[in-house]
Amino acid sequence: AQSVTQPDIHITVSEGASLELRCNYSYGATPYLFWYVQSPGQGLQLLLKYFSGDTLVQGIKGFEAEFKRSQSSFNLRKPSVHWSDAAEYFCAVVGGFQKLVFGTGTRLLVSP
Amino acid sequence: NAGVTQTPKFQVLKTGQSMTLQCAQDMNHEYMSWYRQDPGMGLRLIHYSVGAGITDQGEVPNGYNVSRSTTEDFPLRLLSAAPSQTSVYFCASSYSTTGGNTIYFGEGSWLTVV
Repeated sequence: AQSVTQPDIHITVSEGASLELRCNYSYGATPYLFWYVQSPGQGLQLLLKYFSGDTLVQGIKGFEAEFKRSQSSFNLRKPSVHWSDAAEYFCAVVGGFQKLVFGTGTRLLVSP
Repeated sequence: NAGVTQTPKFQVLKTGQSMTLQCAQDMNHEYMSWYRQDPGMGLRLIHYSVGAGITDQGEVPNGYNVSRSTTEDFPLRLLSAAPSQTSVYFCASSYSTTGGNTIYFGEGSWLTVV
């Protein structure tokens, strides 16, 4: 069965510092991978997605993610974090029939 | 273009009451689904539909009922609400059931069962 692991429950980063959020997936076939962001009390916003092709994917708000098949990873990165990036981030993989399997999320805190 | 619309946004229910969470999309999407979000557990699939008249269970279907009479609408029914169903509910849709399509989410419905 498909699964997604986000090993970090919370991460604190200083404003202006770089960020990497980890995501490992388990899926037998070629995975379709997503990163979503959720601000408190809000819905889910798609940051980026990987379907095929270039393994480095660019998203909105300056985020990027790199698909590494050998490591079953799809880590999210941002070179310089802004206070407005504080939110919860979810990695997800598509299973059969467009069923998304989500990780448990990583809450990002941004310190001044 | 409204996208995926969920109503209500907030609801408080008493144990044993029933209610329906509404979900509508205006993108002519085949696939629709319901997830619930609980702290520390991410989002889990409740039910999904691959087209009008076709529904199936997800990971956590107990206590919920769905139907899909039109392409646009996919309501989620709580037959007899329990405190364990206190959660945030998200409806999602996508164009097709193949993997390479963006999945769109509604804004969420916050449900409290007392």
